[in-house]
Amino acid sequence: DTGVSQNPRHKITKRGQNVTFRCDPISEHNRLYWYRQTLGQGPEFLTYFQNEAQLEKSRLLSDRFSAERPKGSFSTLEIQRTEQGDSAMYLCASSGERQGAGDTEAFFGQGTRLTVV
Amino acid sequence: AQSVTQPDIHITVSEGASLELRCNYSYGATPYLFWYVQSPGQGLQLLLKYFSGDTLVQGIKGFEAEFKRSQSSFNLRKPSVHWSDAAEYFCAVDDYKLSFGAGTTVTVRA
Repeated sequence: DTGVSQNPRHKITKRGQNVTFRCDPISEHNRLYWYRQTLGQGPEFLTYFQNEAQLEKSRLLSDRFSAERPKGSFSTLEIQRTEQGDSAMYLCASSGERQGAGDTEAFFGQGTRLTVV
Repeated sequence: AQSVTQPDIHITVSEGASLELRCNYSYGATPYLFWYVQSPGQGLQLLLKYFSGDTLVQGIKGFEAEFKRSQSSFNLRKPSVHWSDAAEYFCAVDDYKLSFGAGTTVTVRA
């Protein structure tokens, strides 16, 4: 296994267009997370899945954002009607089964950098 | 809600000198704390983590961190910095999801 894979690595889109990003987690990991990172800031939590169930969504995740994880494998993050403020790095992470908060490590992908022009 | 503060936005250090990055957390229960490093254009790599037990935690690349409950701190240290340590460093607290600080950018001068 080569770790968490994200595609594409870079995406430039015009304002108003829809974009979709893909994340392939480490195969045995059942938890998958999406974060957004803007320049000079730490990653901000967007949402996470346990298997195929989306368990939590941040209030940062507006109605234009939707995430799915069909069959509990890969995940997609779609942004509809993109705005310039959506320009950011979108990071995906995965982790194994948890017995409690913090007892497993989250592994991060290299991210998808979105630029909305 | 849990939160993390990294007071230093940018630190410049000479190669071979020691490095200390500050992290303060706010969390109601026993915190699970992490330090991650991010090189330009890359994802996040875990340096070390604290769950419980010994308050001095050893990590990769020669880094260590000390958990001090009385000061709500989890500062990262390295005795001798290498040029390859230039990167952005993030402290995070875990409550089934990670909450990150804003990060500290480390510049290493020759």
